[in-house]
Amino acid sequence: GAVVSQHPSWVICKSGTSVKIECRSLDFQATTMFWYRQFPKQSLMLMATSNEGSKATYEQGVEKDKFLINHASLTLSTLTVTSAHPEDSSFYICSARDRLAGVLPVIQYFGPGTRLTVT
Amino acid sequence: GEDVEQSLFLSVREGDSSVINCTYTDSSSTYLYWYKQEPGAGLQLLTYIFSNMDMKQDQRLTVLLNKKDKHLSLRIADTQTGDSAIYFCAESIRIGYGGSQGNLIFGKGTKLSVKP
Repeated sequence: GAVVSQHPSWVICKSGTSVKIECRSLDFQATTMFWYRQFPKQSLMLMATSNEGSKATYEQGVEKDKFLINHASLTLSTLTVTSAHPEDSSFYICSARDRLAGVLPVIQYFGPGTRLTVT
Repeated sequence: GEDVEQSLFLSVREGDSSVINCTYTDSSSTYLYWYKQEPGAGLQLLTYIFSNMDMKQDQRLTVLLNKKDKHLSLRIADTQTGDSAIYFCAESIRIGYGGSQGNLIFGKGTKLSVKP
């Protein structure tokens, strides 16, 4: 159980275009999903926390208008990289927290990641 | 602020034990976690430990927690080539602290290489 999928697994796009990445919780409902960015040989950088039915909470330094997050249902959150540039090339990973996990421990289940390359 | 530190590399021979160490700064952490990331993949939760525990064992994995020193370790017994991966230590900060929602703070990861 507790499977999180991401689509696509990798994408190559041209500079200036927009790319949408989907994150789905397959066998549980997630009121909270997290979006991370991972650079080569570095740790995960939390970009934003996505809450179902409300606006995402962005971390300091993350551009809200560039990284659009929508959490329209309890099983789906999307990250759209708008007007992508080569510096946006990275590995994007989402995670989801089980809706029923109202108390600790906080278990985040991670997706397999999406490799974005902007040319 | 919160910070999690790990050594970046560890190399062991197949069959030996691996010990990956981690230190954290937030004394209010209630749970600490170990995640495994294989190349090109997401993170897989290996185990977690509650802060009032000293040790937790799960098959080949043993987690030791020294809360006084804020030191966490993961021991992998009989390390196999399939254990080669990056291992992340993470702490959960208190829900509601700074408006967080139980966010995890990750270390930079320790790359474990297992030589045959």
